Amino acid sequence: DGGITQSPKYLFRKEGQNVTLSCEQNLNHDAMYWYRQDPGQGLRLIYYSQIVNDFQKGDIAEGYSVSREKKESFPLTVTSAQKNPTAFYLCAASPGRGAGNTIYFGEGSWLTVV
Amino acid sequence: GQQVMQIPQYQHVQEGEDFTTYCNSSTTLSNIQWYKQRPGGHPVFLIQLVKSGEVKKQKRLTFQFGEAKKNSSLHITATQTTDVGTYFCAGPDNNDMRFGAGTRLTVKP
Repeated sequence: DGGITQSPKYLFRKEGQNVTLSCEQNLNHDAMYWYRQDPGQGLRLIYYSQIVNDFQKGDIAEGYSVSREKKESFPLTVTSAQKNPTAFYLCAASPGRGAGNTIYFGEGSWLTVV
Repeated sequence: GQQVMQIPQYQHVQEGEDFTTYCNSSTTLSNIQWYKQRPGGHPVFLIQLVKSGEVKKQKRLTFQFGEAKKNSSLHITATQTTDVGTYFCAGPDNNDMRFGAGTRLTVKP
């Protein structure tokens, strides 16, 4: 948990703007993830990456983009195409992708569209 | 894909009462994980169960994995206010872990 840093913690976005959420990990984990959590809801997978320069869409990738240029970094861009972006965003990492790997979460970023 | 269903969605208890949340899958799970998210916080890994019929304890928390490996439960004995939060189970699906919707526990002092 302490090894994953998300910033900013709170972000306000005007409609039509793109915003980028930062995620850095010092756990040396191969796999990284982005989840979206709406109030009172579970966790929905946006994107994941198993290795540098490779990433895959999750269940709700539309309106989002990611990059994985470095092992420790996995930024998420919320584009203007995302119609309802207000939510709590969680970055996570695990030693590898696959069932049985513990998932470690960052502290999250709250995004609000104003 | 595989889904893990969690019930109840909400549970409100008096401090000192017990609490149980259940996680069910239509398919056999190779393992199941449990996480806790405090209000305003992020999910934190609690435990992983792998074996059929496995029971693990962490102080007042008891975790069970069903004999058929299709269901799991988390039981908290004598809840305390520090137990408040949302408890998620997660099961494997196509080499990923899929989270249940969570059970939100509130405890009245």
